[in-house]
Amino acid sequence: EVQLVQSGAEVKKPGESLKISCKGSGYSFTSYWIAWVRQMPGKGLEWMGIIYPRDSDTRYSPSFQGQVTISADKSLTTAYLQWSSLKASDTAIYYCARLDLFITPHVFDIWGQGTMLTVSS
Amino acid sequence: QSVLTQPPSASGSPGQSVTISCTGTSSDVGGYNYVSWYQQHPGKAPQLMIYQVNKRPSGVPDRFSGSKSGNTASLTVSGLQAEDEADYYCSSYAGSNNLYVFGTGTKVSVL
Repeated sequence: EVQLVQSGAEVKKPGESLKISCKGSGYSFTSYWIAWVRQMPGKGLEWMGIIYPRDSDTRYSPSFQGQVTISADKSLTTAYLQWSSLKASDTAIYYCARLDLFITPHVFDIWGQGTMLTVSS
Repeated sequence: QSVLTQPPSASGSPGQSVTISCTGTSSDVGGYNYVSWYQQHPGKAPQLMIYQVNKRPSGVPDRFSGSKSGNTASLTVSGLQAEDEADYYCSSYAGSNNLYVFGTGTKVSVL
């Protein structure tokens, strides 16, 4: 079964750092991009950035450039999203999604279950 | 980042049809045939329903269909069922600089 499994919910304080993960299985992890998508409480979906695990080529949405870091470890078939200094406004659910750019381009076809992040003092 | 404009809500009775619009610009929806639609039930992850404007992934009922005219894409759900009650988001490729943009979301209610 093709799936993306994300790490569990986090509760952090402002200023703390964090790295959440997204593990792919059931497919060739290095043949697809992984995207990260934010959903703030009661709000819509926002594309944050994408990474190609084969060579770690990474692209960021202008809105998130410099705010987060996306990385991947192809040996672990895992992608990561990290913050160096969290803010209360980072409180949201973060989804990873598989992005096909070759067979069916520009489609987020498989989604992780989401990681809920709460940042509060 | 810019977003695609969707109506906040839409509704219909069981068996009826509902159509949701998704309006962008010539830099995204109008410029490419890479519009997708995602269904999200409360507390769940989004699920792909339509891709490349009008194609359905395996397993998605043929009650779901997509189309596009100019800078506006549409999702139609025919023969509404209770389980279709959810939030729906459109998405479009937006070129090599911005890459992707999502719609504002539409809550579909089955009356």
